[in-house]
Parts: sequence; C-alpha cells; structure tokens
Amino acid sequence: QVQLQQWGAGLLKPSETLSLTCAVYGGSFSGYYWSWVRQSPGKGLEWIGEINHTGNINYNPSLKSRVTISVDTPKNQFSLKLSSVTAAVTSVYYCARGNMVQAWGQTYYYYMDVWGKGTTVTVSS
Amino acid sequence: SYELTQPPSVSVSPGQTASITCSAEKLGDKYVCWYQQKPGQSPVLVIYQDSERPSGISGIPERFSGSHSGNTATLTIGGTQAIDEADYYCQTWDRNVVFGGGTKLTVL
Repeated sequence: QVQLQQWGAGLLKPSETLSLTCAVYGGSFSGYYWSWVRQSPGKGLEWIGEINHTGNINYNPSLKSRVTISVDTPKNQFSLKLSSVTAAVTSVYYCARGNMVQAWGQTYYYYMDVWGKGTTVTVSS
Repeated sequence: SYELTQPPSVSVSPGQTASITCSAEKLGDKYVCWYQQKPGQSPVLVIYQDSERPSGISGIPERFSGSHSGNTATLTIGGTQAIDEADYYCQTWDRNVVFGGGTKLTVL
C-alpha cells in the first residue's frame, strides 16, 4: 500500500524559507502528479502545486511567485519551498498523490487518493 | 480564477439522507471528486469522477454516492451515521486543481 511520509521545519521566523519534503513508499512514482495542499487554521483546503516524475510542474497562479516544487525521482521524493514567509503562511501542509485521467477528448478528471499526515508550519517572530 | 461554491454547513438527523452540493459556472463540462476530512486528520477521497467510490483497503461505504447534473454536483450520504460528521470538500480540475470552500456536516 502506498504511503507518503513528509517532514520539514515546523517553526519559522518571518522572511525565512519554508522547506518540506515528501517521500513515496510502496508504490510507483511515475504516472502520477505529486501535489502539495495547505490548510490555514480553521480554513479550507488550498492547492499549492504539483510535479510529476519527469519534472513537469503546475502551480496555483495565486502562489506561483514564491513557490518552488522539485522532484528527486531516484529517491521517490518531492519537495516544496516557499520563500519570504509571513504569518499568513501558517498552515498544515499536506503532500498527496494526484491522478490525472483522460475521460474523453480533451476532458480529464483529477483526484488525490493518497495523502500524507500533514506537517504543521507556524511562522512567528 | 475558477471557483466552486459549497454551503458552509449542512445538518442531518442520524439515519436520514444528507446532500451536499457543489456548483460553478460550466461545471457541467468537468468532473468532480469529494473528500471527507475529520478534525486533526488528512482528507480522505470518498468519490471521484462524479460518482465513483474508491475501492480497496480504504473502501468507502456504499452509503456515500455522487451525482452531477448541469452545473451542480452533489454528494449524498444515505443513512447518515454519527461517524460521518466531518468537513466535506469538492474538487475539480480546470487546468489546475480547484477546491470548494468546504461544508461542515453535522449529525444531530
């Protein structure tokens, strides 16, 4: 059974860089999109971006300017960096496995079926 | 940017049917999936491709079903149980992943 194990610094000061890594165990790394999703305290889910094993990347346009997602395919790992953090970045960050399936023509459906346990990141001076 | 609209909260009595809607412009051209999230836990996929239930080890109970008509998708929980009390999020893909704002389901 596929499992995602994530880790990274949980307490940051303003202007520092958030850095998280997610490792994939027990399943194929290729053929999927590997996503980062965050959830601010008491709020809903926000998609940050995704990457596949070849390094093809998609970012949430609203976060694109400060986000970097990278992949280390030999290690079955992918990472998230978010620069110049502020208190607004305080959230639980999840990694997840995304499935992009072609339904017909140019119509696709997408779902995330495996999730990490989440990492709480707090930004405070 | 594309937006999915969900009601903030839905209440249901135990044993009754709960329906949670997700709507947007041109949603009829897209597919929707649904996640359940309980406090302090990661989201869990309960429906994908509008109406398919995940199978396998994390099989989702048959009381969870999905439908899609026009610009509204609906998650239905038949015979709702106390353990179904959670936040539910719809999600679609519009060149990027888009989540709805979430619906808190309360089982009274």
